[in-house]
Amino acid sequence: QVQLVESGGGVVQPGGSLRLSCAASEFTFTNYGMHWVRQAPGKGLDWVAFIRNDGSNKYYADSVKGRFTISRDKSKNTLYLQMNSLRAEDTAVYYCAKDLLITMILRGAFDIWGQGTMVTVSS
Amino acid sequence: QSALTQPASVSGSPGQSITISCTGTSSDVGGYNYVSWYQQHPGKAPKLIIYDVSNRPSGVSNRFSGSKSANTASLTISGLQAEDEADYYCSSYTISNTLLFGGGTKLTVL
Repeated sequence: QVQLVESGGGVVQPGGSLRLSCAASEFTFTNYGMHWVRQAPGKGLDWVAFIRNDGSNKYYADSVKGRFTISRDKSKNTLYLQMNSLRAEDTAVYYCAKDLLITMILRGAFDIWGQGTMVTVSS
Repeated sequence: QSALTQPASVSGSPGQSITISCTGTSSDVGGYNYVSWYQQHPGKAPKLIIYDVSNRPSGVSNRFSGSKSANTASLTISGLQAEDEADYYCSSYTISNTLLFGGGTKLTVL
């Protein structure tokens, strides 16, 4: 079935780096925009980044701009999030999510979510 | 940018209707018809229940409905059921080409 599977989470020291991956299956990956959304323990949802279906446009939350980079590899049907200069406040479960519609607009309608991968930033 | 404003909690009895509000500004909720609502049960990924203010994805119960007036969007759940007990989040496109989520509302079914 349509599925997203994240990997790459773990424990990292402040200032460190981590790369998250999100493997997509059973849908045409190149048709849909993809997002990263995070959720700190016991807190609400926090949108992180978006990449258009063809990779031509990328948008970021102000809190991660300049530190995080979203990318995608159509040959591997995989979405990535490169996270640098990590801070304690980046500690969260990171979800990748698929746009419901084939759209060029940040509609915020995500129909498929991964199971999430935990990132802990701590010394 | 600050999160969209949602009540921290709402409650209702089985069979009743409840409404959750989501208040933003003219730069997000009020300016665009790109408001979505998500349901999240503990330990699970969120589930999309409303998109583009009032559209339901395939498979979502028609007990869920959405609307918007000025800078405030609303989610109404009618015929409340025990399984509706969950956290609910709104989201909106913003003028800055970003997405903003609400702080979340915990729904308790009494």
